[in-house]
Amino acid sequence: AQSVAQPEDQVNVAEGNPLTVKCTYSVSGNPYLFWYVQYPNRGLQFLLKYITGDNLVKGSYGFEAEFNKSQTSFHLKKPSALVSDSALYFCAVKYGGSQGNLIFGKGTKLSVKP
Amino acid sequence: GAGVSQSPSNKVTEKGKDVELRCDPISGHTALYWYRQRLGQGLEFLIYFQGNSAPDKSGLPSDRFSAERTGESVSTLTIQRTQQEDSAVYLCASSLVAGAVAEAFFGQGTRLTVV
Repeated sequence: AQSVAQPEDQVNVAEGNPLTVKCTYSVSGNPYLFWYVQYPNRGLQFLLKYITGDNLVKGSYGFEAEFNKSQTSFHLKKPSALVSDSALYFCAVKYGGSQGNLIFGKGTKLSVKP
Repeated sequence: GAGVSQSPSNKVTEKGKDVELRCDPISGHTALYWYRQRLGQGLEFLIYFQGNSAPDKSGLPSDRFSAERTGESVSTLTIQRTQQEDSAVYLCASSLVAGAVAEAFFGQGTRLTVV
């Protein structure tokens, strides 16, 4: 079955430190991978996506993610966290081609302390 | 419109009543998704429409849930005989599908409270 796993319910980081939010996936065929962010009382916003090409993808707000095919992972990273990055982060995978379905992980709450 | 629009934004209903939630996708977006987000939980897939293809209903939790979409426009999610466990935010998203893999754009959601 197609699935997306975010193994951490919460990640705590001090402001200025690097952050990583983990995501692994299990799909047949080539996956299309996404990260979304949900700020408090706001809708879900797209951060970045991996379709093909370079394994390191850069997105909004200084975030990047690295696609690792052998480890079936797509971890979200940022070199220097900001307090304003505190939010709920969702990893998603589209399977079945470009017209396929989109499923999400359960989300990881990121808390950045000053 | 400029974005995905959902209505109502909030709905309080009595247990056992039927409710209908509406989603207006971005014009030209052929793909439309419905998700449910319970308090403190992740996104639970409900149903997916793609153009004129048969919808993927594999995420609907029971036969009390149904959804329709008129062409490539408005979609309605109907919950019959609502139960308290149906209380959640129901999110709709749409994406452009024209060969490229496009990201989904989300509406603000409908917060459903069953009392």
